[in-house]
Parts: sequence; structure tokens; C-alpha cells
Amino acid sequence: GAVVSQHPSWVICKSGTSVKIECRSLDFQATTMFWYRQFPKQSLMLMATSNEGSKATYEQGVEKDKFLINHASLTLSTLTVTSAHPEDSSFYICSATGPSNTEAFFGQGTRLTVV
Amino acid sequence: AQRVTQPEKLLSVFKGAPVELKCNYSYSGSPELFWYVQYSRQRLQLLLRHISRESIKGFTADLNKGETSFHLKKPFAQEEDSAMYYCALRPGATNKLIFGTGTLLAVQP
Repeated sequence: GAVVSQHPSWVICKSGTSVKIECRSLDFQATTMFWYRQFPKQSLMLMATSNEGSKATYEQGVEKDKFLINHASLTLSTLTVTSAHPEDSSFYICSATGPSNTEAFFGQGTRLTVV
Repeated sequence: AQRVTQPEKLLSVFKGAPVELKCNYSYSGSPELFWYVQYSRQRLQLLLRHISRESIKGFTADLNKGETSFHLKKPFAQEEDSAMYYCALRPGATNKLIFGTGTLLAVQP
């Protein structure tokens, strides 16, 4: 199957700083990418949907100025957590679908810890 | 509201026993439903989707619109089936997935 890679796998940052997470589709063109957040022992919560070359669509309750999403190419989307706070600590997962949209492929996730 | 409910956080069975992981959904339109699986230390991956009506690794799931359910079943569980299972709903005309809270299946030897 297709491969989606996230980088970094884990990151620790200080409160107030920004951190960028990359999501790449390695062997297919990802027309749509999704960013999820998962708290311990809870489900994946969709944060936003991004289509290549256009602005991301954020789910209700997600601050778009805090979680900046860029999908500049068909193989790369980035999520930047700005002015991070300890409550932003979580597991962030991206997924991507190709032009056929039949299946979503998931990255391995990024563990963010804000201290 | 669009919602997926998996009532069991943990399901523990013995090897060879039948397994049923429950999933109920709330959606006013025609849903597209999926089961995703996450093995230990691996990423989430698609197990099966209702439109394919296929059996993967011995698992099947039937969409019951009357009961708004999409339960995952396997007649004889194997130890390698131990994993986290997520039921997901794709609302019509979108690509996004709405996930249930997941059920951890533990198959004992």
C-alpha cells in the first residue's frame, strides 16, 4: 500500500515556542491530507482537512491561528503548532488520500510534549 | 449529529473463540463505514470497508441500516488479532473520517 511518513516521530518543546510537523506521501500524490489529534486512551479527533493549493478547512473548535496548516505540494503538508502550551501536548496523526479517494493512508504519528 | 460509538474499550477472548466488536453510528444520510486496525507500535491501517463486502484476515462486517450498526466479527480469534480496532464513518460527499473511541482486542493463548 501507499506510504505516509511523518516527521518528527516525537518532539519536546518549551512553552511559547512553535513546532512544525511534516506529513509526506512517499509514493503517491495526496490530493487531500487530514490532521488528527489523539489524547491518551481517546479516539482520533479530526482537526482539519487540507487540499493541495488551497486553505485548510478546520473543524469546529479548532483554532486556525494556533494550528497552521500548509499543503503546498501534492506530497507535503505541514502542521505548525504556534505558541505551544502544555495542553497542546498530544499525539498528532496525519492521513492522506489520493485522487481516487478510496482509502486513507496514515502516518505513524508525532508525539508532541510541551514543557 | 455524526457520531460513531464503540461501547467496549476492551474485549478479551481466548484463542479460537468467536469475536464481535460492536460499532453503532449516527448519521442521517447514506454512510460509508470502515474498520481500521492498529497493531502494537504500528500505524493505523484499513482493515475493511462495508462497500467491498469482503473478508480480510477472517474478519467480516455487515452494515445494518435498521440498527445503524457495523459490527466486526471473526469466528475464531487468533493471537495475532490482538490490536486496537477503530470503527469509522465517512459522511457522504466528504473525504473525512469520523472515528469511534476504539476497542482493544486481547486474544489470550
